[in-house]
Amino acid sequence: GAGVSQTPSNKVTEKGKYVELRCDPISGHTALYWYRQSLGQGPEFLIYFQGTGAADDSGLPNDRFFAVRPEGSVSTLKIQRTERGDSAVYLCASSLQGAGVNTEAFFGQGTRLTVV
Amino acid sequence: DQQVKQNSPSLSVQEGRISILNCDYTNSMFDYFLWYKKYPAEGPTFLISISSIKDKNEDGRFTVFLNKSAKHLSLHIVPSQPGDSAVYFCAARREKLTFGTGTRLTIIP
Repeated sequence: GAGVSQTPSNKVTEKGKYVELRCDPISGHTALYWYRQSLGQGPEFLIYFQGTGAADDSGLPNDRFFAVRPEGSVSTLKIQRTERGDSAVYLCASSLQGAGVNTEAFFGQGTRLTVV
Repeated sequence: DQQVKQNSPSLSVQEGRISILNCDYTNSMFDYFLWYKKYPAEGPTFLISISSIKDKNEDGRFTVFLNKSAKHLSLHIVPSQPGDSAVYFCAARREKLTFGTGTRLTIIP
């Protein structure tokens, strides 16, 4: 597709369950970002990939959160033992290159995660 | 520590007038600044950007101004149109993008 695609668009899960959120970036984009947005807040950085490796994972809130990008394209954000406080919209973005290049990041529509 | 701040959570402007959205930052290492627009149930959409080596960038009705000494940037929209009603986020980059909390702009017909 032409844009960043995130699936599912909505996910409701029970507290304590495991969830996976998927991001398909724009073809050829080497940089991929995950953000989380809570109500009334701006997007909060979670993790940034350059190719297959996590260049910066300083935003992951704790060890329940993990993300992979094994082939440098699709990425999966994994959340273990979900808590109600994990409820938010999870946004994925990709850009042509990472740091040092003035290109914008393009966002997907987000996955709304609700933990009940 | 909020490195990028948008102190006005909302702004209402008459159609046809100028909308000015403001953003302040604290980290002098940011090298690139962007504005995004967000409609409900959609991801943020890129609007306009400016490199830290410039002080102005214009694209149609949208102009971004950067004042590095004051660590301040602003987005001007003129003339404002009803379709401009959305939440606007400023973002600053040092490798990753750091976002402000957003300003909800409402254009009154």
